[in-house]
Amino acid sequence: DGGITQSPKYLFRKEGQNVTLSCEQNLNHDAMYWYRQDPGQGLRLIYYSQIVNDFQKGDIAEGYSVSREKKESFPLTVTSAQKNPTAFYLCASSTRQSNTGELFFGEGSRLTVL
Amino acid sequence: AQTVTQSQPEMSVQEAETVTLSCTYDTSENNYYLFWYKQPPSRQMILVIRQEAYKQQNATENRFSVNFQKAAKSFSLKISDSQLGDTAMYFCAFMKHGFGYGQNFVFGPGTRLSVLP
Repeated sequence: DGGITQSPKYLFRKEGQNVTLSCEQNLNHDAMYWYRQDPGQGLRLIYYSQIVNDFQKGDIAEGYSVSREKKESFPLTVTSAQKNPTAFYLCASSTRQSNTGELFFGEGSRLTVL
Repeated sequence: AQTVTQSQPEMSVQEAETVTLSCTYDTSENNYYLFWYKQPPSRQMILVIRQEAYKQQNATENRFSVNFQKAAKSFSLKISDSQLGDTAMYFCAFMKHGFGYGQNFVFGPGTRLSVLP
């Protein structure tokens, strides 16, 4: 079945450490996104990528980094520069068709900084 | 900039009853899309229903329907014959027309719906 796989589901990190969240999709979608979800704030866009080897900052990119070396993969690194990294992170993908707009989501990764 | 407001942080409904979730938005755009996404406790978010602003007819998907009031910038979701599986967080979202990419989505803060047996 096609879909988006995020790993790990739960991750604990000590302050000062970088951590990388994995996102893989087999939907053949061109575009991929990372969102951060906090209680009462909805989803906020961290980074997005429309094609391989290209990505753009979203609304809250500070303290995060990404790469897009393959169409299927869009890993997110939460660096030690991120001041409040404890959150739920969602990866999503979409096609380029402008008449749908539907996002497909993974199951998410919960990061806790100890 | 667009904003999306969901004024009901939490709601509950008895199984088989009908419930309406509210959503208002602010935009100067004339052409856009509105969405309701569902995030059940398993956490994978899925699309429930989509409305194109240039269509006057309200969208329906089985037990789910919307009341789209463009002038009032209101986009409520009605769930009929509520089922236990409808228990989830529901997000209202806005996207400008002509952009097929998720970077143009604006999400509301969500409404947590509990369906009671």
